[in-house]
Amino acid sequence: AQSVAQPEDQVNVAEGNPLTVKCTYSVSGNPYLFWYVQYPNRGLQFLLKYITGDNLVKGSYGFEAEFNKSQTSFHLKKPSALVSDSALYFCAVEAGTALIFGKGTTLSVSS
Amino acid sequence: EPEVTQTPSHQVTQMGQEVILRCVPISNHLYFYWYRQILGQKVEFLVSFYNNEISEKSEIFDDQFSVERPDGSNFTLKIRSTKLEDSAMYFCASSPGQGARGWYGYTFGSGTRLTVV
Repeated sequence: AQSVAQPEDQVNVAEGNPLTVKCTYSVSGNPYLFWYVQYPNRGLQFLLKYITGDNLVKGSYGFEAEFNKSQTSFHLKKPSALVSDSALYFCAVEAGTALIFGKGTTLSVSS
Repeated sequence: EPEVTQTPSHQVTQMGQEVILRCVPISNHLYFYWYRQILGQKVEFLVSFYNNEISEKSEIFDDQFSVERPDGSNFTLKIRSTKLEDSAMYFCASSPGQGARGWYGYTFGSGTRLTVV
């Protein structure tokens, strides 16, 4: 069965420092992977996706993610964190017509 | 930018009552979905809907739940005889094509927080 794991409940980083939010997946076949962000009292906003091609995917708000097939990982990264990046981040994998989400990682960026 | 609109934003209902959650997907999208997020837990897929029928549903989506596209714009989720454990945030989403392979994948609404008391 398709599944996604986000091993960290919370990631804390200082503004201006690089950030990484981890995600590993388990799928049969080629994975279609996504990152979404959720701000308080808001819906899920699309950040980026990996379908095929370059392992480094660039997305919204300066975020990028690196697909690593051998490690079955799809970590979200940003070179320089902003306080406004503080939110709940979800990794997801496509299964049929559904998205299977990880449990989410809260990113807290301090000034 | 087109949005998926959900109403109401918050609904409180008595256990055993029926509720209908409403969604207006993006107008040119063809696939519609419901997800739920129990407080503090992950987002879970409930159902996908295309061409006026269910494409796929999870084991959560039992006979208590039903979906409908009653007209050309609305997409509803009905929960019959609500239970305490149905309390959650319910997200509607739509996509232009099958699954999440459109450029922006799914577009999610802001959610309806359902509280069953």
